[in-house]
Amino acid sequence: EAGVAQSPRYKIIEKRQSVAFWCNPISGHATLYWYQQILGQGPKLLIQFQNNGVVDDSQLPKDRFSAERLKGVDSTLKIQPAKLEDSAVYLCASSLETSAYNEQFFGPGTRLTVL
Amino acid sequence: AQRVTQPEKLLSVFKGAPVELKCNYSYSGSPELFWYVQYSRQRLQLLLRHISRESIKGFTADLNKGETSFHLKKPFAQEEDSAMYYCALSVQGTGKLIFGQGTTLQVKP
Repeated sequence: EAGVAQSPRYKIIEKRQSVAFWCNPISGHATLYWYQQILGQGPKLLIQFQNNGVVDDSQLPKDRFSAERLKGVDSTLKIQPAKLEDSAVYLCASSLETSAYNEQFFGPGTRLTVL
Repeated sequence: AQRVTQPEKLLSVFKGAPVELKCNYSYSGSPELFWYVQYSRQRLQLLLRHISRESIKGFTADLNKGETSFHLKKPFAQEEDSAMYYCALSVQGTGKLIFGQGTTLQVKP
């Protein structure tokens, strides 16, 4: 079974530029998550999708971050404009469904550096 | 408030020594707790979940609701156990994970 795919793996941009990350979850997984992991901290949920609907985006900085999952499969996370504090690893994860009991499967992450 | 605390950033032990990685949580509902692990150059993956009551790679974790803890234990550490370990709380209704800050386990030969 193929795992969660993410691209790019690394990205370096200057502040105020825009950047987009892509995620393809495991086939058949209805729920998709985007986490932000700042160096030295645990992952923090940014947004959660169930199929193509948003379940939780309470910690997404909506003035600069946006995400979509238009066809209920792959997803894109965008930052516009980027700030220095956005430097982090962005993790995508998927699970079979939205449930407290389900295992989440993580992608390799995208490491973003904002200069 | 929903929160997970891992008080140790680094735990260093010798091979064969017992290991205990501490995790405390704050949650008003009935908690579902997990341990995730990240080995060097690998992706984050599930190690074990409290509902399964299983032992994985010799690790066990018991939920203590009175002390609001979910410590991870192994009686005899192996060098291949060296990794970053995250305790996580799953929020009822959404499955959203709230992670602790992580503990690096270093097992010395």
